[in-house]
Amino acid sequence: EAGVTQSPTHLIKTRGQQVTLRCSPISGHTSVYWYQQALGLGLQFLLWYDEGEERNRGNFPPRFSGRQFPNYSSELNVNALELEDSALYLCASSRPGAGREETQYFGPGTRLLVL
Amino acid sequence: QQQVKQSPQSLIVQKGGISIINCAYENTAFDYFPWYQQFPGKGPALLIAIRPDVSEKKEGRFTISFNKSAKQFSLHIMDSQPGDSATYFCAASSGGSYIPTFGRGTSLIVHP
Repeated sequence: EAGVTQSPTHLIKTRGQQVTLRCSPISGHTSVYWYQQALGLGLQFLLWYDEGEERNRGNFPPRFSGRQFPNYSSELNVNALELEDSALYLCASSRPGAGREETQYFGPGTRLLVL
Repeated sequence: QQQVKQSPQSLIVQKGGISIINCAYENTAFDYFPWYQQFPGKGPALLIAIRPDVSEKKEGRFTISFNKSAKQFSLHIMDSQPGDSATYFCAASSGGSYIPTFGRGTSLIVHP
């Protein structure tokens, strides 16, 4: 079974630019979660999509947005990049109808560096 | 406000020793406590989890101890091995949320 995949693996952008990160969940999973992992800060929840709908949003500004496609893959968009957006962006997926104890399976992440 | 406080930030243990990572939480609504293990270049993976109706859960060399009154829980790694070297995150979630709140992580190094 293929795991969660993310692209690109690394990205370098300059302040003010826009970036799009992509995630493909495990086959059969319908929920996709996005997290930001900044150095020393653990994982900060960004967004949760399920069945194409945004279900929950973390405490991040509106320039962080995303969407989920009919095939359950997802994009995370970040506009007007700031230096502090430099981080590892992780995507996770879980099964349909997953309760909160359902395991989230994480991808390897996209490392974003903003200069 | 950090809802889940994790310590230590880093830990060095000799092979065969016991690694102990502690977490404390403030939100009494939290009732599910997973631990994640993250190797360099990889995403976190669920290691073990506990609900507060038990005080301890063991899976192989990994044990979670839970103290509800103190609002603390800890991960013990017995007979630590170099292959256990990774970053460990504790987390907590409540009945109304599917989203866990994570601690800041502990970098564990096990020397051969």
